Amino acid sequence: DVKVTQSSRYLVKRTGEKVFLECVQDMDHENMFWYRQDPGLGLRLIYFSYDVKMKEKGDIPEGYSVSREKKERFSLILESASTNQTSMYLCASSTSGDGPYEQYFGPGTRLTVT
Amino acid sequence: GQSLEQPSEVTAVEGAIVQINCTYQTSGFYGLSWYQQHDGGAPTFLSYNALDGLEETGRFSSFLSRSDSYGYLLLQELQMKDSASYFCAVRRSNYQLIWGAGTKLIIKP
Repeated sequence: DVKVTQSSRYLVKRTGEKVFLECVQDMDHENMFWYRQDPGLGLRLIYFSYDVKMKEKGDIPEGYSVSREKKERFSLILESASTNQTSMYLCASSTSGDGPYEQYFGPGTRLTVT
Repeated sequence: GQSLEQPSEVTAVEGAIVQINCTYQTSGFYGLSWYQQHDGGAPTFLSYNALDGLEETGRFSSFLSRSDSYGYLLLQELQMKDSASYFCAVRRSNYQLIWGAGTKLIIKP
């Protein structure tokens, strides 16, 4: 059974703290993604990675950075957390190529910045 | 710009049929996906249409018309467990999806 796990379900941090969110997938997928989900806005892509040590900005990368040192692990870093980064963060993974395209999601991390 | 439009909320009765529409405007189009998300849960894949026409998977069907930049998800024989949010998403490249804001489906007994 395919699995994407995230390091925390709930996280509370203070403004200005450095925050690490970790994601691990066990499907040997090339691609990994970080989204944030806010009510009424759907899922917005922060960063994605299509290979180890490779990363590309998504639609809302400001205030975030990522790291992918191993194929199975993709980390999202908030260098200095701010209250407008309070959100649900979802990690996903996928293969590439033709055929039905599916992204597999982790359970999400609900981050509150106070 | 790039956008996907879908209704914010749809209400239906248990046992009935409901259709959730999605129109899109994107640069790059590989296919249209649908995902289901229950409250507190992660999005889960329902269907993917790369070509025009109807794809059926059990009680769920998905339709695509690329010339109209339009698709829909059809749910038949609605069950209470189908109460969830449904998202359409366009695959705009080999990797990326652009997501609609989601449709909350409310099912009444």
